[in-house]
Amino acid sequence: QQQVKQSPQSLIVQKGGISIINCAYENTAFDYFPWYQQFPGKGPALLIAIRPDVSEKKEGRFTISFNKSAKQFSLHIMDSQPGDSATYFCAASRAGGSYIPTFGRGTSLIVHP
Amino acid sequence: DTGVSQDPRHKITKRGQNVTFRCDPISEHNRLYWYRQTLGQGPEFLTYFQNEAQLEKSRLLSDRFSAERPKGSFSTLEIQRTEQGDSAMYLCASSRPDRGGYGYTFGSGTRLTVV
Repeated sequence: QQQVKQSPQSLIVQKGGISIINCAYENTAFDYFPWYQQFPGKGPALLIAIRPDVSEKKEGRFTISFNKSAKQFSLHIMDSQPGDSATYFCAASRAGGSYIPTFGRGTSLIVHP
Repeated sequence: DTGVSQDPRHKITKRGQNVTFRCDPISEHNRLYWYRQTLGQGPEFLTYFQNEAQLEKSRLLSDRFSAERPKGSFSTLEIQRTEQGDSAMYLCASSRPDRGGYGYTFGSGTRLTVV
């Protein structure tokens, strides 16, 4: 049972465009929703995260939009750059306790120059 | 602080052999996690330590897998009688309880290929 569903599987965007990746979760006990960025040969690195008490969080060119009632959240990358080309994973967990995030399957983003 | 270190980076082994991977967490992190990542998938949780105590194990961690963290510092993950299905990237992460997800740091992983 996949608890966090992520789409699309791959995404190609032109430089300067907006990249949008969507995720949906099932477990209503989740209360912490991070996005991770992974480059080839590296482990995932935390990019940005949100808790369900806000509907949007922005850090630089990266924005998370969160819809609690729909159990969906998305990552928007504004002014996408070739250096953003990577695999992006959404995840969900309970904020407290042992913090063991459940990951989506990932989105491979390619930004063409 | 040089981040989470994993060794080796790559391992090729023959089916049926045993392999052991090592993870050195960030020094002040008392929590350590092992994940498995296969191609086209997100990381899947295997097991978790707080200090030297192994507190949680996934059902993915079959009897052929064992993990230790004897002194609450580095950890090892051993796979006995490897199978081709064990081929994956094995990731280690560490964290501090007071930092929650924000202090969660992954290593670069050990890529295992079973031939």
